[in-house]
Parts: sequence; structure tokens; C-alpha cells
Amino acid sequence: SQQGEEDPQALSIQEGENATMNCSYKTSINNLQWYRQNSGRGLVHLILIRSNEREKHSGRLRVTLDTSKKSSSLLITASRAADTASYFCATDASGGSYIPTFGRGTSLIVHP
Amino acid sequence: DTEVTQTPKHLVMGMTNKKSLKCEQHMGHRAMYWYKQKAKKPPELMFVYSYEKLSINESVPSRFSPECPNSSLLNLHLHALQPEDSALYLCASSQDFRDISSNQPQHFGDGTRLSIL
Repeated sequence: SQQGEEDPQALSIQEGENATMNCSYKTSINNLQWYRQNSGRGLVHLILIRSNEREKHSGRLRVTLDTSKKSSSLLITASRAADTASYFCATDASGGSYIPTFGRGTSLIVHP
Repeated sequence: DTEVTQTPKHLVMGMTNKKSLKCEQHMGHRAMYWYKQKAKKPPELMFVYSYEKLSINESVPSRFSPECPNSSLLNLHLHALQPEDSALYLCASSQDFRDISSNQPQHFGDGTRLSIL
């Protein structure tokens, strides 16, 4: 299965701290994406990083990709209570249909 | 507010009922998706439509029947569901999943919370 595996499964931090989530996958990919899901809501796209990219930034988010280790990390700096959500990585296997497969997710709780 | 609209937000139905879930997008996307998501699990792909044609059916039971009346609408018809079908059903759209050069992220609706009695 191409499904990514996020680590940790759950993360609890204080407001203002940084949060780091990791994603590992098994086969070569075209792209890796990170999504956020607030409780009871749909998924919201955060960042897409292509296989030939190593790092991308968007506001307080920083994503890295290491294709040699088949892993990615999502860093949220200066976290806020509103960042409380589940975070999923999604990968699409190269040579495949480019439809992303979601990992099991990391549940992040940011305490005010 | 999301750009993909799903109705209804909540649905409770008996195992013998027939109901439909609806999804609408006006972003000009040509790929539309249905996902099923159980609590504390990732979304699981059910169906993919590309240019209004069913492209992928992930071995979904026939009690789920998708329909794409036009490029903006996606329906999921439900009949004789089982209690284990209770879940959050998410609709998503994207530009086109076949062309890697235009590979763009998916846009999700907020889902329909389905409960089967």
C-alpha cells in the first residue's frame, strides 16, 4: 500500500510552541500533500510539495521532503489554539493514477 | 466556507430507506470524488469521476450508486445500507487527476454525517 504513516499519532503542546509531524511512505511518489481537518469538517489543503522539491513554506508552515528516506515533515511554528486539528499527509505513487492516498493522520491539540 | 457544497449535513436513515447525498462545485474542476471516513481514520476513496465519467470504483458495494449529472454535480444514491456504513461521507474535486502537469490539490466539502439505524 502507498498509504503514508504519520508520526506521532497524537501530539499535545502549549500555544506558542512548535509542532512537528512526520510522514513516511513506501514507494516513489509524484507529489506529497498535507491536509488539515478540523473536527466534523472536511479536509483543507495546506501544502503540495513535488518530488523534485526539498522544502516549501506557507506562512507558519514549513514542509520538507526527503525522497531518499521516503519521508516528509510538517512544522507549524508558534502554534495557536486554532491549529488544533488532525493533519494528514497524502501521497500519489509515481506511475499511478495521481490520486492521493491518505495516511492515518496526526491529532494535534494546542492548549491555550 | 468551502467551495464544495454537500447536502444534507446530517442524515439518519433506516436500512430499508433510499436516500441521496449531493455535492456541487463551481470551480470548473473536471474530477470529482467520493470518500468515506470513519471516526479517527483517514478518508477512504470510493469513487472517482473524470469528465463526468466513472473512472474508478474502489470495489464499493452496489448499495452505493454514484451519479454525475453534469460537470458541477455529483450524487451518491444510497439503498439498503448497513449499520457499518455509518460514517462521514466527503466529496472532493480537483482540476484533473490524469495530467500530472496540472496536478492540483483536492478541494473538500464538509461532508454528510450519515447514521444508519
